[in-house]
Amino acid sequence: GESVGLHLPTLSVQEGDNSIINCAYSNSASDYFIWYKQESGKGPQFIIDIRSNMDKRQGQRVTVLLNKTVKHLSLQIAATQPGDSAVYFCAENSGGSNYKLTFGKGTLLTVNP
Amino acid sequence: DAGITQSPRHKVTETGTPVTLRCHQTENHRYMYWYRQDPGHGLRLIHYSYGVKDTDKGEVSDGYSVSRSKTEDFLLTLESATSSQTSVYFCAIRHTGVLTEAFFGQGTRLTVV
Repeated sequence: GESVGLHLPTLSVQEGDNSIINCAYSNSASDYFIWYKQESGKGPQFIIDIRSNMDKRQGQRVTVLLNKTVKHLSLQIAATQPGDSAVYFCAENSGGSNYKLTFGKGTLLTVNP
Repeated sequence: DAGITQSPRHKVTETGTPVTLRCHQTENHRYMYWYRQDPGHGLRLIHYSYGVKDTDKGEVSDGYSVSRSKTEDFLLTLESATSSQTSVYFCAIRHTGVLTEAFFGQGTRLTVV
């Protein structure tokens, strides 16, 4: 079936390094994508989003890249900090008016001091 | 938490009993979602609603039913709970008519013994 997936289930980086978390999606009709961060015991929290008519969007220390040709999404975190340690999920909104939102399995990011 | 409340926050129930989880929002948002989260599976969509009395199945809907009789409440019912339904359940809401992020509740931890 069509679903969102992640290439790397775990990622360990040194404090100050840049982190890149990847996500593959299979639904070519998806029109909107979101990255979430989830800390232990909490609900997912919004980080950044991108529409399918864009290929790059930047926020504060985060950048999302979208490559529709290969159906690939990535989240780049600059100067990673210990507070960035969490599970990161990508989500896709299926095209259409019902706004179905599905998630990938998640990547655990660990930042070592 | 974006005006979204889940109840109860924790519940232990016996196999075969019915269970209803409630998601309540004060934002008047049109779209509401129920997900379950299990280790290794990320967030999986159970059911979602795109309006009062308008609901649809997600990827793991078997054994679950939902109801949305008014905008602010979205109920998830396990007709006869099984141990495989032990999980953390998250409700989410999205703004009406705009491609935007979903806001999540704090989650309900359900244990079926």
